[in-house]
Amino acid sequence: NAGVTQTPKFRVLKTGQSMTLLCAQDMNHEYMYWYRQDPGMGLRLIHYSVGEGTTAKGEVPDGYNVSRLKKQNFLLGLESAAPSQTSVYFCASRDPDGFSGNTIYFGEGSWLTVV
Amino acid sequence: DQQVKQNSPSLSVQEGRISILNCDYTNSMFDYFLWYKKYPAEGPTFLISISSIKDKNEDGRFTVFLNKSAKHLSLHIVPSQPGDSAVYFCATRSGGGADGLTFGKGTHLIIQP
Repeated sequence: NAGVTQTPKFRVLKTGQSMTLLCAQDMNHEYMYWYRQDPGMGLRLIHYSVGEGTTAKGEVPDGYNVSRLKKQNFLLGLESAAPSQTSVYFCASRDPDGFSGNTIYFGEGSWLTVV
Repeated sequence: DQQVKQNSPSLSVQEGRISILNCDYTNSMFDYFLWYKKYPAEGPTFLISISSIKDKNEDGRFTVFLNKSAKHLSLHIVPSQPGDSAVYFCATRSGGGADGLTFGKGTHLIIQP
């Protein structure tokens, strides 16, 4: 029972490097989200997607790009990493019907450090 | 401007006693509230939720109370157990195209033996 899987789990980047975080879900969910969590902060929404081929900006989208080429995958890209993007990144997914806490699934997180 | 506020960064409670975690929100249009629990190095896990048409929801040791006039909700855990030590996030449905969640900053609950 995989649920929501994020890769990689840990990564250290140099300033200016690029990388992509992959989120994969096996529940056939339409909606997917990328959040970041910083010390002393709650999770903040970066980007989200309501279906294959569609993406939209969340609360803190600057410096990130996303793509949803396949329904099960949601990619988060950093084109030119900055130290301010050092954070823990969480992916989540859910079905559009019946919003409730039980229907939202989170991945285990990806720890990114930019030096 | 924070829409969901958890003003206590940490809370220490003795095992067996009641833990009360508080959350305030600013937008009276919010209609659904959730509590998530998070252990270190893990993703958030759903704990309990409440719709704005209710003022209380109970699930085992966990009860959430909603006071709409005060724009305040609280999570009660009784009795508190060592495994309850975690960070608790209050969240609300933020609407928009995909009903993402807006989170508070979290409260670190520490259960003392």
